[in-house]
Amino acid sequence: GDSVTQMEGPVTLSEEAFLTINCTYTATGYPSLFWYVQYPGEGLQLLLKATKADDKGSNKGFEATYRKETTSFHLEKGSVQVSDSAVYFCALSQGQGGSEKLVFGKGTKLTVNP
Amino acid sequence: GAVVSQHPSRVICKSGTSVKIECRSLDFQATTMFWYRQFPKQSLMLMATSNEGSKATYEQGVEKDKFLINHASLTLSTLTVTSAHPEDSSFYICSATGLVPDTQYFGPGTRLTVL
Repeated sequence: GDSVTQMEGPVTLSEEAFLTINCTYTATGYPSLFWYVQYPGEGLQLLLKATKADDKGSNKGFEATYRKETTSFHLEKGSVQVSDSAVYFCALSQGQGGSEKLVFGKGTKLTVNP
Repeated sequence: GAVVSQHPSRVICKSGTSVKIECRSLDFQATTMFWYRQFPKQSLMLMATSNEGSKATYEQGVEKDKFLINHASLTLSTLTVTSAHPEDSSFYICSATGLVPDTQYFGPGTRLTVL
């Protein structure tokens, strides 16, 4: 079945450092890809998504590009802030992600120190 | 934005008892709700999908008689863990879709501990 593998955490960075969280997937067909973020005490929130190959999702300075040739969707941010400290989940869906099930990676905890 | 709440946020119960968890969409009508389960340091795993007024669709390996799901209205779905045992201890998360069809909105989760 479909699966998502993301880099093990935790990741600790200093403020303004560059962030990369790797995510690769195994799936049939052409899934949609997502990054969700979970801040302490809150529910998961959609951070960005891409629905077809070579699409780039972006939001709040974060970016990820749907690479079908490498089955990857790595999350990047050029300069992290303390407020970016959270758990990040990579996910895929065979639909657009609304009415279809989401398959998640294990999550990567990011801590950004001032 | 769309808000989904869960109640309770944390529950402790004795083995053999039943526990009900509520999931509410506060500012939109949720045509579909999902229930996920998350073990420590593991992925969220989908347990079941429920559409308002219909029976839930369970994922393979999930006991439908143990995890009863009811989606009686467009703003409320409930998950009842029947005859709970310690191995049912986990973090249960719901999500809902309906406002923007291609997005799921997640609740903050419920931590269940069965003694």
